[in-house]
Amino acid sequence: GAVVSQHPSWVICKSGTSVKIECRSLDFQATTMFWYRQFPKQSLMLMATSNEGSKATYEQGVEKDKFLINHASLTLSTLTVTSAHPEDSSFYICSARIPDEAGGPADTQYFGPGTRLTVL
Amino acid sequence: GQNIDQPTEMTATEGAIVQINCTYQTSGFNGLFWYQQHAGEAPTFLSYNVLDGLEEKGRFSSFLSRSKGYSYLLLKELQMKDSASYLCAVMDSNYQLIWGAGTKLIIKP
Repeated sequence: GAVVSQHPSWVICKSGTSVKIECRSLDFQATTMFWYRQFPKQSLMLMATSNEGSKATYEQGVEKDKFLINHASLTLSTLTVTSAHPEDSSFYICSARIPDEAGGPADTQYFGPGTRLTVL
Repeated sequence: GQNIDQPTEMTATEGAIVQINCTYQTSGFNGLFWYQQHAGEAPTFLSYNVLDGLEEKGRFSSFLSRSKGYSYLLLKELQMKDSASYLCAVMDSNYQLIWGAGTKLIIKP
């Protein structure tokens, strides 16, 4: 149980274009999902917390107009990187917090496999 | 401020035992998590401690002392596939996860 999928696994795009990344909880309903970014050899950096049916909460320094998050259902959250630039190239990882009834310690975050974004 | 400290890198020998320490200072405490992250991959959940003591799960064990703000992850019978980064994360009073920078574990034959 507690499987999180992410699509696409990797994407290459031109500067100025937008890229959408999907995060799905496959076998449980996730009221809360998280979006992280990780640059090479650096720690995970939380970008935003996404709650189903409400606006995402962004961490300080993360531009909400550039990184659009939509959590329209209990199993799907999307991150859209708008007008991508080379400095946005990174490893983007989503996670979903497991609810009590889904097994495992409550509040455990299970991660998707990540999306490697390269902006040319 | 909130702070998680763990060694940057450790080296161990295949078949041996290694202990990765984590100390924390956070505003409140609602549990400590250990994750494993192989290079180029997302983290995977290893263990969760919320009460003092040792939690054993196969070759991996995790220990917590809340009074000392201290945890360790113990890996026994090391295998080459255990080469990875190990992330310590603490859930604070707001149920936010505070992440350590990770410990890169190198296993040598």
